[in-house]
Amino acid sequence: AQSVTQLDSHVSVSEGTPVLLRCNYSSSYSPSLFWYVQHPNKGLQLLLKYTSAATLVKGINGFEAEFKKSETSFHLTKPSAHMSDAAEYFCVVSDLGAAGNKLTFGGGTRVLVKP
Amino acid sequence: NAGVTQTPKFRILKIGQSMTLQCTQDMNHNYMYWYRQDPGMGLKLIYYSVGAGITDKGEVPNGYNVSRSTTEDFPLRLELAAPSQTSVYFCASSAGGGFMSTEAFFGQGTRLTVV
Repeated sequence: AQSVTQLDSHVSVSEGTPVLLRCNYSSSYSPSLFWYVQHPNKGLQLLLKYTSAATLVKGINGFEAEFKKSETSFHLTKPSAHMSDAAEYFCVVSDLGAAGNKLTFGGGTRVLVKP
Repeated sequence: NAGVTQTPKFRILKIGQSMTLQCTQDMNHNYMYWYRQDPGMGLKLIYYSVGAGITDKGEVPNGYNVSRSTTEDFPLRLELAAPSQTSVYFCASSAGGGFMSTEAFFGQGTRLTVV
């Protein structure tokens, strides 16, 4: 069975400072991993995905994430936060090879950006 | 680009009433999903489908039913609404599964309140 743990339910940063959102996963197979962002009262938008190619993945809006198999982690970072980054972020795992592409979501991290 | 379209956007139901949440996608995706999102929580999988005529239960299927008569449509049925079904519902679709895991595309959500 697959599972995802987002280690921080809330993160508060100042505009222009780095952002780190932590995610650990467990998976029986070779996983695909995703980060999605949800702005208030909106649907979910894909930020980036890892599917067994390069371990450092670059996404939209300056975000990137590094897949570390030894640590079963897929942390999301951005060098400099912008006010528009205030949103909720979800780490998601999908097992390659499992019957069906069931996405398992972490509990989410709400990001607050202070001026 | 329509993508994944959900209707209605908002709905208030009385306890015991029934309703169908509609979902359609125009990307010819085989995989479709229904998730619910409770306040402060991640998304929980209700049902999913790997193709027309094939559906299966997710984590939280009780109180819901689905059908998949066409590739495009994946309606979710609530037969006897209960306050515990107050939530935001998201429909999603993806092209691949198993060894072809790909990202999911989400609708804008349906906010359902049961009173």
